[in-house]
Amino acid sequence: GNSVTQMQGQVTLSEEEFLFINCTYSTTGYPTLFWYVQYPGEGPQLLLKVTTANNKGSSRGFEATYDKGTTSFHLQKASVQESDSAVYYCVPNSGGSNAKLTFGKGTKLSVKS
Amino acid sequence: DPKIIQKPKYLVAVTGSEKILICEQYLGHNAMYWYRQSAKKPLEFMFSYSYQKLMDNQTASSRFQPQSSKKNHLDLQITALKPDDSATYFCASSQVGNTGQLYFGEGSKLTVL
Repeated sequence: GNSVTQMQGQVTLSEEEFLFINCTYSTTGYPTLFWYVQYPGEGPQLLLKVTTANNKGSSRGFEATYDKGTTSFHLQKASVQESDSAVYYCVPNSGGSNAKLTFGKGTKLSVKS
Repeated sequence: DPKIIQKPKYLVAVTGSEKILICEQYLGHNAMYWYRQSAKKPLEFMFSYSYQKLMDNQTASSRFQPQSSKKNHLDLQITALKPDDSATYFCASSQVGNTGQLYFGEGSKLTVL
């Protein structure tokens, strides 16, 4: 099955600081990798995805590179805003269509103005 | 306008009672899901349906019964409610074969007293 490790349970930054959220994964096969974000009071929503190893995905200033060698998919953003405060989930999926997603505990980002 | 409608947004029930959580999606998707998120556990997969047929069930208890009366509906009936059932229940949908790219509703927060 799929598993993911996000070592940082919580990250606190000030606006305009650099964000780095660590993610390593363990899967069978060749997964598609996702970052989902969950804002307070809402359901998770897709932030970005990468289907091919060594490719980079980006969205809304966030980016992540699918590193098959180190089985990592770290999330970065050059300059965070208060509105980025949310929980971020790294989600690998190699289970084919309609496979269940394993979300883990995520990383809670708090950005102070 | 929200594309996935979950009703009710909040509900309170007494132990032993029964509740139905409603989910309708207007994205034209053929796969629908239920996930659960509580204070004790991260977001966890419960069920997946494809073309109104059950594909995967990760819920051990038969007290949880999904019901698909129309292709864009996937309701969740919960019987003999327990305090441990208290959680936010998220409905999601996707295109069949669109591996892992889910669209979530805003959730139904259930409190069992």
